[in-house]
Amino acid sequence: LAKTTQPISMDSYEGQEVNITCSHNNIATNDYITWYQQFPSQGPRFIIQGYKTKVTNEVASLFIPADRKSSTLSLPRVSLSDTAVYYCLVGDAGNAGKSTFGDGTTLTVKP
Amino acid sequence: SAVISQKPSRDICQRGTSLTIQCQVDSQVTMMFWYRQQPGQSLTLIATANQGSEATYESGFVIDKFPISRPNLTFSTLTVSNMSPEDSSIYLCSVEDLRGVNYGYTFGSGTRLTVV
Repeated sequence: LAKTTQPISMDSYEGQEVNITCSHNNIATNDYITWYQQFPSQGPRFIIQGYKTKVTNEVASLFIPADRKSSTLSLPRVSLSDTAVYYCLVGDAGNAGKSTFGDGTTLTVKP
Repeated sequence: SAVISQKPSRDICQRGTSLTIQCQVDSQVTMMFWYRQQPGQSLTLIATANQGSEATYESGFVIDKFPISRPNLTFSTLTVSNMSPEDSSIYLCSVEDLRGVNYGYTFGSGTRLTVV
């Protein structure tokens, strides 16, 4: 299982773009990269998933370099409600149940 | 994505007792997962529950302490047995959802357990 490393915490201000990077040096060929968001007293929520290059949805963008040893979650124009813990997970389609949650990044958005 | 209903949402229990947590999914799923999240910590996988077979437990978790049932493809229970204050945590169930070409997890809202 690929181990992931993220910054423990980040601060930002409303309206700014936030980039959270995750390192996964031993990512396997079949592994996908998935990001989750967790608010207090709630279960984690799927944000975005990718395999390589760039993926964008209505919430975020995910940038994955060619060597796939890291990935960056980009949140455009954050608001106070984006204050949460963000987790990146690395795993393959047939083994998703064995993905391991790292420590996550606590993002605090300030007014 | 699947919708998960988890009950109870919270409970305060006496040490030495047991609590059963229920997880209901609105669609049939092969695998269901149970996680523990201790205060201020990340999520730790307790076990994987497949319908029709024994649950598979992760290192550090045993069936006697956390018995799991999986009677059908939409329902599972996790029991926290002989509780102690160290069992105070949030317990979450999750399922795999197809997200485009690969799978991601959908989680229930969790059960916040306090053991006194």
